[in-house]
Amino acid sequence: DARVTQTPRHKVTEMGQEVTMRCQPILGHNTVFWYRQTMMQGLELLAYFRNRAPLDDSGMPKDRFSAEMPDATLATLKIQPSEPRDSAVYFCASGPGQGGTTEAFFGQGTRLTVV
Amino acid sequence: QKEVEQDPGPLSVPEGAIVSLNCTYSNSAFQYFMWYRQYSRKGPELLMYTYSSGNKEDGRFTAQVDKSSKYISLFIRDSQPSDSATYLCAMSQGAQKLVFGQGTRLTINP
Repeated sequence: DARVTQTPRHKVTEMGQEVTMRCQPILGHNTVFWYRQTMMQGLELLAYFRNRAPLDDSGMPKDRFSAEMPDATLATLKIQPSEPRDSAVYFCASGPGQGGTTEAFFGQGTRLTVV
Repeated sequence: QKEVEQDPGPLSVPEGAIVSLNCTYSNSAFQYFMWYRQYSRKGPELLMYTYSSGNKEDGRFTAQVDKSSKYISLFIRDSQPSDSATYLCAMSQGAQKLVFGQGTRLTINP
């Protein structure tokens, strides 16, 4: 059963703490996306990678957010220091990236609450 | 102005009705168009995928793309209570990032 796996599913943390979210993309997919979803803004693209190389991270606050792909089976999104306004659901998605397409398959998300 | 505009609803219809969901966009370079369904507290699920203009049908779902008008639609026939969810349109220029609409919250009443 091929699916994108995200951990943790829920995270409550205090303001100022570091938060790390992890994502295992679908095996064989070469494109990985990080999205943030809030009621007000909807789904916002934070960053995306192709073949582990960052292609676009313009949606990410650079001073506190960082995204990496240490290997093809793991993507991470880190927030340091976290702030209450970072509270949202963070989704990872992966895509096959074949034929110039960008269909994306989403994980279940990490629901982050910063208090 | 956002690149992709979608009425957030909410939209409520009786079971069995035909549902029409729409998005407009401003970027004429978009070539790939998708519809996602998202149930509460779940990740978006890819429902329909089309390239360029035209129609695509899959069971009770039909996706239409009109590039000349920069307008896409999703039709749901014989709607069921299990179709109650948020529907998001998404589009891209090709091997580029997906841009999403705000999502339309749909409720099908038994």
